Amino acid sequence: KAGVTQTPRYLIKTRGQQVTLSCSPISGHRSVSWYQQTPGQGLQFLFEYFSETQRNKGNFPGRFSGRQFSNSRSEMNVSTLELGDSALYLCASSLNPWNTDTQYFGPGTRLTVL
Amino acid sequence: QQQVKQSPQSLIVQKGGISIINCAYENTAFDYFPWYQQFPGKGPALLIAIRPDVSEKKEGRFTISFNKSAKQFSLHIMDSQPGDSATYFCGVKKSSGDKLTFGTGTRLAVRP
Repeated sequence: KAGVTQTPRYLIKTRGQQVTLSCSPISGHRSVSWYQQTPGQGLQFLFEYFSETQRNKGNFPGRFSGRQFSNSRSEMNVSTLELGDSALYLCASSLNPWNTDTQYFGPGTRLTVL
Repeated sequence: QQQVKQSPQSLIVQKGGISIINCAYENTAFDYFPWYQQFPGKGPALLIAIRPDVSEKKEGRFTISFNKSAKQFSLHIMDSQPGDSATYFCGVKKSSGDKLTFGTGTRLAVRP
């Protein structure tokens, strides 16, 4: 069974631009969570989607948004990029929000903002 | 407010030694406590997890000790190996479907 895939793996943008990251969960998984990982802040929860609905949202500004499609694939968008948005963005999928033992992470997208 | 506090930030252990990483939490509603292992360039991977109805769980060389009254849990890596060198994150979650919150991570280096 294929794991969680994230595209692109690396991305370089400049301040003020916007970016869209994609996550394809494991087949059969309907819950997708996004995390931002930085050396200083660790793993920070961004949001979680289940059945195309946002269930939970972390403490990030409105520039960070996401969505989930009917096939469970998810995208996250960051508008008006800032230098501080440089981070590894991780996606995790699970069967559903209550089945935590099945949560698997993708390899992440490394975003660099210049 | 930090939901879970993890220590130490970094740890160096000799091969064959015991690595111990600790986490403390405040919210007694948490009922799922996982440990994740992350190698450079990879996403975190679930290593072992425990629920509050048991005080200890062992899987191979990895053991979680859980102290419900102290609201603390720890990861013990017995006979530590250089291949265990990675960053370890503890997590806390309510199984009602709340988000998984991570500790700040511990970078473990096992010297040959």
